[in-house]
Amino acid sequence: AQTVTQSQPEMSVQEAETVTLSCTYDTSENNYYLFWYKQPPSRQMILVIRQEAYKQQNATENRFSVNFQKAAKSFSLKISDSQLGDTAMYFCAFMNPHTSGSRLTFGEGTQLTVNP
Amino acid sequence: DSGVTQTPKHLITATGQRVTLRCSPRSGDLSVYWYQQSLDQGLQFLIQYYNGEERAKGNILERFSAQQFPDLHSELNLSSLELGDSALYFCASSDATDGRSSYNEQFFGPGTRLTVL
Repeated sequence: AQTVTQSQPEMSVQEAETVTLSCTYDTSENNYYLFWYKQPPSRQMILVIRQEAYKQQNATENRFSVNFQKAAKSFSLKISDSQLGDTAMYFCAFMNPHTSGSRLTFGEGTQLTVNP
Repeated sequence: DSGVTQTPKHLITATGQRVTLRCSPRSGDLSVYWYQQSLDQGLQFLIQYYNGEERAKGNILERFSAQQFPDLHSELNLSSLELGDSALYFCASSDATDGRSSYNEQFFGPGTRLTVL
């Protein structure tokens, strides 16, 4: 079974600074998808960014980018120019539609606080 | 707004009772997923339906069951409730072409907060 590990339960960053959230995963598969979801205090789950494992280029969405290291099974999220609205719980998630359907397997989450 | 609706938003009940959580997927989405978020178990996948049929099963207890109706809305039934069933239950939907082997983004509803006293 696939597992996803987020080793940082909490992190904080100053507004306008850069922060990196870590995620590692375990799978024997070669083709899969990785995601970062954001859960603000409203509890809504919001997709931040996704990465297809067959793509070598790291995904980028505005201030959010990932560092995908397939051999190391590492998938970190970098948030640049942090804003107060980035304060949320961030979940790393894994999906392999070819072997385990479209289910998402989530990590434990990292609570990020952006300080003014 | 993701387009996925869940009712009720909050539910408070007693141990041993039975409740039904309802989900309406985004217009046109055939796949519905149920997830449970609790303090001790984290976020975990429960079950997936595609166009009325069960597609995948996760860590869903035997006391829990789900179904997807012809109009594509889904219901999650929780029975013989225990204190440990208190959690936030999310429904998500996607337009997965076969619900099995393709990637399609899952859009999450706002969740139903279940409190078992």
